[in-house]
Order: sequence, then C-alpha cells, then structure tokens
Amino acid sequence: ETGVTQSPTHLIKTRGQQVTLRCSSQSGHNTVSWYQQALGQGPQFIFQYYREEENGRGNFPPRFSGLQFPNYSSELNVNALELDDSALYLCASSLAFRAGIYGYTFGSGTRLTVV
Amino acid sequence: GESVGLHLPTLSVQEGDNSIINCAYSNSASDYFIWYKQESGKGPQFIIDIRSNMDKRQGQRVTVLLNKTVKHLSLQIAATQPGDSAVYFCADPGETSGSRLTFGEGTQLTVNP
Repeated sequence: ETGVTQSPTHLIKTRGQQVTLRCSSQSGHNTVSWYQQALGQGPQFIFQYYREEENGRGNFPPRFSGLQFPNYSSELNVNALELDDSALYLCASSLAFRAGIYGYTFGSGTRLTVV
Repeated sequence: GESVGLHLPTLSVQEGDNSIINCAYSNSASDYFIWYKQESGKGPQFIIDIRSNMDKRQGQRVTVLLNKTVKHLSLQIAATQPGDSAVYFCADPGETSGSRLTFGEGTQLTVNP
C-alpha cells in the first residue's frame, strides 16, 4: 500500500509567478485535502476535493485553486504568488466523505519559497 | 470563532520522563479531537483520537484526557523517548461533517538524553 506522495519536495518561485503542486493519494482513498503550513504554525485548511469537485474551502483567495483527477490524484494551483505564500503545502487523502476525517493520511509536503 | 490552541509552544523533558502537552478549544459543540505528531520534514502523523463521550483514551504509551467542562484536552506520553521529539498538534474536525481539520499552533517537544 503506497502512502500519499507529493511533488516537488521543494520549489522556489518569484513573486507574481504561478505554481502547481501535485499529490497522489493513498491507494484506496478518494478524497484529497490541501493545507498550508507557515513556519512555526499549525496547518491551515485550504480546500478539499471529493469526486473531482471542491467540497469545502477555507479562508483562502480565489487565486488558490485545485483539481482532482479520475484517479483521485490532485493539483493545487496558486496564481500571482505573494511572499506570504511561502509555506509547507500539505496534501492529505482519505476514504469517502463522511468517514474522511478518520482516514486522513498526510504527505510530507512541498516546501514553497517565494522570493 | 472556532479555535484550537496550545498552552505552551515548547516543552523539554529528560528521556524516560512523562510528558504532558495541553490544548484548549473554544467550540463547545466540538465532539471529536485528534492528536498529531509532526517530525521535521514530514507531514502530521495520527497519534490518537477521542470523542466527547469519553474522558480518557489510552494507546501505546500515550493517553489523551478530555475535560469538556473547561474545554481542555491533554496528551500524556509515558517514558518519553528521543524518537518522541517532534511538534505535537491537537486538531478539531469541527462541525462541517469532518471535512476539515482546525489545528492549534503546536508544541515542540524536545527529549534530552
């Protein structure tokens, strides 16, 4: 059984650029959630995808968007990058919607640095 | 608004001692809590959870206590080992059908040999 894998592990972008982060969910999982974790802080919920549709969103602007694919993998896209977007971006997969919180499995994250 | 917070940002203990990490929550309707461990360079790892109909739950070397009266929970780690060094978070799935976790800021546990 494979866990949650994220790519790339590290990324440096320039302010104003766009970035795409990728996540492969754990085998058997069909829900993907994305979190932003600033240095020294707890993770903050960005959004969740279930059945290829957004299912809940945190307090993040529209320039944060996502996709889920038929194989349940997911992408997080951030446009017009700002310096404050520098953070660890975590993906978590789970099985089903109602039971999702019980099956949460986090990846190791993508460290994004915006300069 | 809903929040989950930690009492202390850092905790340093000697190997073999017991560790206690505290967490306060503000939402009286919260009925389920999870403790996560996050090692450097890794994502959060599930440790133990507890429902509001319980006051205590035990796992392997870990115990979570829930006091609903004062909206406080704690994670106790017995015989702390160097491998326990990490940041510990309490998290609340909230009321939105458990689709999102609200994390506290975390406590950095350092175990000294």
